[in-house]
Amino acid sequence: AQKITQTQPGMFVQEKEAVTLDCTYDTSDQSYGLFWYKQPSSGEMIFLIYQGSYDEQNATEGRYSLNFQKARKSANLVISASQLGDSAMYFCAMRGGEDNDYKLSFGAGTTVTVRA
Amino acid sequence: DAMVIQNPRYQVTQFGKPVTLSCSQTLNHNVMYWYQQKSSQAPKLLFHYYDKDFNNEADTPDNFQSRRPNTSFCLLDIRSPGLGDAAMYLCATSRDGGIANEKLFFGSGTQLSVL
Repeated sequence: AQKITQTQPGMFVQEKEAVTLDCTYDTSDQSYGLFWYKQPSSGEMIFLIYQGSYDEQNATEGRYSLNFQKARKSANLVISASQLGDSAMYFCAMRGGEDNDYKLSFGAGTTVTVRA
Repeated sequence: DAMVIQNPRYQVTQFGKPVTLSCSQTLNHNVMYWYQQKSSQAPKLLFHYYDKDFNNEADTPDNFQSRRPNTSFCLLDIRSPGLGDAAMYLCATSRDGGIANEKLFFGSGTQLSVL
């Protein structure tokens, strides 16, 4: 079975600074995908970034980058130059194969509050 | 521009009164999902459709049912809502359900209140 762990329930970050959100996962699958989603107070889940288990390079999407350490089974999200609009809940999620039938499973989430 | 549309945005129902939430998509995706998300918790998958094939999660209560009348449209029925069913219900789609690298597209959700 898959398990995704986000150990930081909430974080505060100063505007324009970088913040790292932790995510560790556990799976027996060799092929899996790791995702980060942002959920503002409006409720919609917004896709941010994806990392495949066979990808050798860390994924980047604008101000978002994913620090993928496969041996440690961690996939931390780094948000650079934080903006007030980054205040939201952030979910790490995973899709895997054999055991999980490729369903998207989520961690508990981290609430980020950006201060001016 | 909206690709996954959920209506209504807010739904209030009475304890025990059946309620139906709807989701439509313009992406022509094969798979549609329903997630339940209680306050400050992770979304939990209730079930999904791969085309017309219905796939129920083992721990989804019988109180929850779903229908997919056509490719673009999916419904979530709660037969007898209890207070514990108050939550955000998120609909999502993906082109395929059997690969790891495909993201899900989510709607804005329906916030259900049970009085």
